Amino acid sequence: GDSVTQMEGPVTLSEEAFLTINCTYTATGYPSLFWYVQYPGEGLQLLLKATKADDKGSNKGFEATYRKETTSFHLEKGSVQVSDSAVYFCALSDPYSSASKIIFGSGTRLSIRP
Amino acid sequence: DAGVIQSPRHEVTEMGQEVTLRCKPISGHNSLFWYRQTMMRGLELLIYFNNNVPIDDSGMPEDRFSAKMPNASFSTLKIQPSEPRDSAVYFCASSSERGGYTFGSGTRLTVV
Repeated sequence: GDSVTQMEGPVTLSEEAFLTINCTYTATGYPSLFWYVQYPGEGLQLLLKATKADDKGSNKGFEATYRKETTSFHLEKGSVQVSDSAVYFCALSDPYSSASKIIFGSGTRLSIRP
Repeated sequence: DAGVIQSPRHEVTEMGQEVTLRCKPISGHNSLFWYRQTMMRGLELLIYFNNNVPIDDSGMPEDRFSAKMPNASFSTLKIQPSEPRDSAVYFCASSSERGGYTFGSGTRLTVV
């Protein structure tokens, strides 16, 4: 079945460092891809998305490009801030689900040191 | 738009008691999802509804768990009887046909 694999955390970086969180997927068909972020004590929030191959999603300085040839959707940010500390989830939507069911990865905890 | 509203935010109950979690989805969203999040198991999809009809409840852990969606603006997740291993954060999310979820803030359940 469809699945998402993302790098295990925790990831600890210093402020202003470059961030990459790897995500690969397995899917039949052409899913939409998402990154969600969960801040402490809150629910998941959509960070960015891409709906077709070569699309780039971006938001708040984060970017991810839908790479069909490598089945990847890696999350990047050029200069992280302490406020980016959170758990990040890569996800895909099931194109054959009538309810647009989303399949989540296991999450990557990111901690940024001042 | 108030977003997805869950209640209560926190629930502490004794083992064996019935627990009911509530969710109000975003108006106009036709799909609703219940998730459970724990440190050990991460984010697990319990059940989801499309147009108020349960589509897939294969993630519901046991018969002690049940969910209903009597109308488009309300859903409940019930645990009866509750057990300490049910302690987790339970999230509700809703989506429209265009896709992408909106999550509620969750209910933190502690069963002692």
